Amino acid sequence: SAVISQKPSRDICQRGTSLTIQCQVDSQVTMMFWYRQQPGQSLTLIATANQGSEATYESGFVIDKFPISRPNLTFSTLTVSNMSPEDSSIYLCSVASGRYHEQYFGPGTRLTVT
Amino acid sequence: DQQVKQNSPSLSVQEGRISILNCDYTNSMFDYFLWYKKYPAEGPTFLISISSIKDKNEDGRFTVFLNKSAKHLSLHIVPSQPGDSAVYFCAASAQDKIIFGKGTRLHILP
Repeated sequence: SAVISQKPSRDICQRGTSLTIQCQVDSQVTMMFWYRQQPGQSLTLIATANQGSEATYESGFVIDKFPISRPNLTFSTLTVSNMSPEDSSIYLCSVASGRYHEQYFGPGTRLTVT
Repeated sequence: DQQVKQNSPSLSVQEGRISILNCDYTNSMFDYFLWYKKYPAEGPTFLISISSIKDKNEDGRFTVFLNKSAKHLSLHIVPSQPGDSAVYFCAASAQDKIIFGKGTRLHILP
């Protein structure tokens, strides 16, 4: 299993600003994922971030709004840009073990936009 | 369009009894079905999975049953323990994507 940490654990931000969330893994992994969980909703995949290539975004998510960096095999960042109250969510990163569907999640970043 | 549905937002079960969490899905192409468990302020943790070619998988107190004809799966926890109180997410995997349900909050009563 992998141990994943995220920073910050929570933040309150004003609309129109941007927040960068960091995800650190204790081992080298190829595939990292970013999810969003809006209040009362399921986890929704934002993008898949593989080291050495551009992130692959899911329908409804765009790079200008959620730019992702993946500089090495243990670290990734997700930026939530030009925030609005609708971006208030928990943002989680995860990594896949040997099998894609067995993912290990970080503790999440709880974002509130006012 | 929800591909994975958990119709019970919450469930309360007496300690020592069986907890049964249910999940329905719509996409016949899913190849793995999963259950994740989440405690407050923590990320989800993988609990158990089942391949679409099987109908049962057991791991200690946890058993997952798959009924493909009904597009239904369930998680049985027996006996239920206080530490089982958490939110349980049903999920399904296809083409390297995982689709999650909204979760069921399980309360284990003393």
